[in-house]
Amino acid sequence: GENVEQHPSTLSVQEGDSAVIKCTYSDSASNYFPWYKQELGKRPQLIIDIRSNVGEKKDQRIAVTLNKTAKHFSLHITETQPEDSAVYFCAARYLSAGNMLTFGGGTRLMVKP
Amino acid sequence: SAVISQKPSRDICQRGTSLTIQCQVDSQVTMMFWYRQQPGQSLTLIATANQGSEATYESGFVIDKFPISRPNLTFSTLTVSNMSPEDSSIYLCSVEVPGRNQPQHFGDGTRLSIL
Repeated sequence: GENVEQHPSTLSVQEGDSAVIKCTYSDSASNYFPWYKQELGKRPQLIIDIRSNVGEKKDQRIAVTLNKTAKHFSLHITETQPEDSAVYFCAARYLSAGNMLTFGGGTRLMVKP
Repeated sequence: SAVISQKPSRDICQRGTSLTIQCQVDSQVTMMFWYRQQPGQSLTLIATANQGSEATYESGFVIDKFPISRPNLTFSTLTVSNMSPEDSSIYLCSVEVPGRNQPQHFGDGTRLSIL
């Protein structure tokens, strides 16, 4: 089955700096890669996702890049703000009935004002 | 995206008792899932709730401990049976919504503490 590794487990940045979180996956058949943000005591919230036929996707200050050959994908947050502080989870799956999301271990991002 | 209502939001239970968690979606969805999130940990899939048939459980989870119902396309329940302190966790309902990427969204979760 799929295995997703996520690094780092914790990340502390100064407000205004960029943050990068990296994930690797094991199953080359996986073709869908979402990222979730979970604030303390809240639900995981889908913030961006990418299909394997796209190398990069941006949405305002967040972007995701995918390297299919190396089987890794990354979340980039620019101009970080204190409200970006949360736990971020990457996930991977093969988009087909019966195939589930496999989550990474999570990254706790702390943005210091 | 779908509106997912989960209840109770939290509960404190006695060892040996059972608790049923409800998940209601505001639209019909094909796929509904139940996850467990232990403190400070990632999301672990317990089972897929199948409408009209028995749930599909992941390795390490069994029906006797976590019975699941899915009577229709908008509702599911998860029961945590014969609870022990190790069952203290957040239990999350999730649904896959129609769309190009079939994105998955989560309810607010049920925070369960076992004394």
